Amino acid sequence: GESVGLHLPTLSVQEGDNSIINCAYSNSASDYFIWYKQESGKGPQFIIDIRSNMDKRQGQRVTVLLNKTVKHLSLQIAATQPGDSAVYFCAENSRNSGYSTLTFGKGTMLLVSP
Amino acid sequence: GAVVSQHPSWVICKSGTSVKIECRSLDFQATTMFWYRQFPKQSLMLMATSNEGSKATYEQGVEKDKFLINHASLTLSTLTVTSAHPEDSSFYICSASDRGQGTGELFFGEGSRLTVL
Repeated sequence: GESVGLHLPTLSVQEGDNSIINCAYSNSASDYFIWYKQESGKGPQFIIDIRSNMDKRQGQRVTVLLNKTVKHLSLQIAATQPGDSAVYFCAENSRNSGYSTLTFGKGTMLLVSP
Repeated sequence: GAVVSQHPSWVICKSGTSVKIECRSLDFQATTMFWYRQFPKQSLMLMATSNEGSKATYEQGVEKDKFLINHASLTLSTLTVTSAHPEDSSFYICSASDRGQGTGELFFGEGSRLTVL
């Protein structure tokens, strides 16, 4: 998994813009990936997931892209709103481990200006 | 979706006291629950994996005698921070997987903020 950083990278966008948050993972055996949103003082909230047999999955205003070749995951948020401001974490899991260990990325803080 | 409840959501205690945090799966059975610790502006760090009816598995560097975990039933796991000190102040979060699904998706509690004076 990724190492934990002391300072969260920050992405600042204007309301209405599209946001792209990136994540790199290191475990080639990972086959299940999740994006979480964490608002201040709260637990992580599931946004969208994707399995390794797919390279794209769409939800409501969100799209996750998976590039297994370079071990890269991205979350795209369309028409970003102030309520989207939060810290976003990617996480990876593996069937090989019985889905027993979820490894989190370092997180990205998204700041949306009105 | 599945709901995981943590209690208390915040607690302030004196140094040297012990604090218990509960994690409950409200509408599903969780064979396995996970405990995380999160410092400000950092990611979640897995502390231990709690298995119903057996001893918890602790991550490297986590003191098992300091952080006691009990998973007495399929819907409840508890984390006790023993002899808490100011450096134990943190945000503690639990998660649980629905054993009926087996998909790997985890459901998170709202977290418990511990402040040790």
